[in-house]
Amino acid sequence: DQQVKQNSPSLSVQEGRISILNCDYTNSMFDYFLWYKKYPAEGPTFLISISSIKDKNEDGRFTVFLNKSAKHLSLHIVPSQPGDSAVYFCAADSGGSNYKLTFGKGTLLTVNP
Amino acid sequence: NAGVTQTPKFQVLKTGQSMTLQCAQDMNHEYMSWYRQDPGMGLRLIHYSVGAGITDQGEVPNGYNVSRSTTEDFPLRLLSAAPSQTSVYFCASSYFPVDWGSTDTQYFGPGTRLTVL
Repeated sequence: DQQVKQNSPSLSVQEGRISILNCDYTNSMFDYFLWYKKYPAEGPTFLISISSIKDKNEDGRFTVFLNKSAKHLSLHIVPSQPGDSAVYFCAADSGGSNYKLTFGKGTLLTVNP
Repeated sequence: NAGVTQTPKFQVLKTGQSMTLQCAQDMNHEYMSWYRQDPGMGLRLIHYSVGAGITDQGEVPNGYNVSRSTTEDFPLRLLSAAPSQTSVYFCASSYFPVDWGSTDTQYFGPGTRLTVL
């Protein structure tokens, strides 16, 4: 039972265009949502997060949108750069004192020059 | 400041062998965790700790043991390795309580690639 789903294994975009990565979840108790970026042979690095009480969070070129009624979030990267090519993981925390993240399977983003 | 370090980077074991994956951090983080990543899968939490002497199970704890005797170190032990434990293992650390909304949140190590034959 996959609680966090990233249904697109890969995405290819042109440099300068917008990249939109999607994530769906099933657990309505999730309290925080995070995006991590991972390059090959490296550990994931934190990119951006959003609380369940917000619908948008922005950090430079990265914006995360949350639609709670649809249990859907998306990461927008504008403009996309070749250095953004990586695997992007969506993750969620159910709050309380558990501090356990549930990850999606990831989406490989390729930004072509 | 080395961040989160993991040793070894690569390891090959035979079925039934035991070994310890090492994880250390120098950021004085109380929260530490172990994940495994399998091909086509996201990261799955194995065990975590919210401070020295305190550990708890994650999503996939079977076949793994942990202990936390110091703030800095959080080793992961495989008592009797099985081919199903072939994976890439990541250690992570964070301040506690974990603030998922902070940009200064969970840091990951570079990973240990383990193959069990």
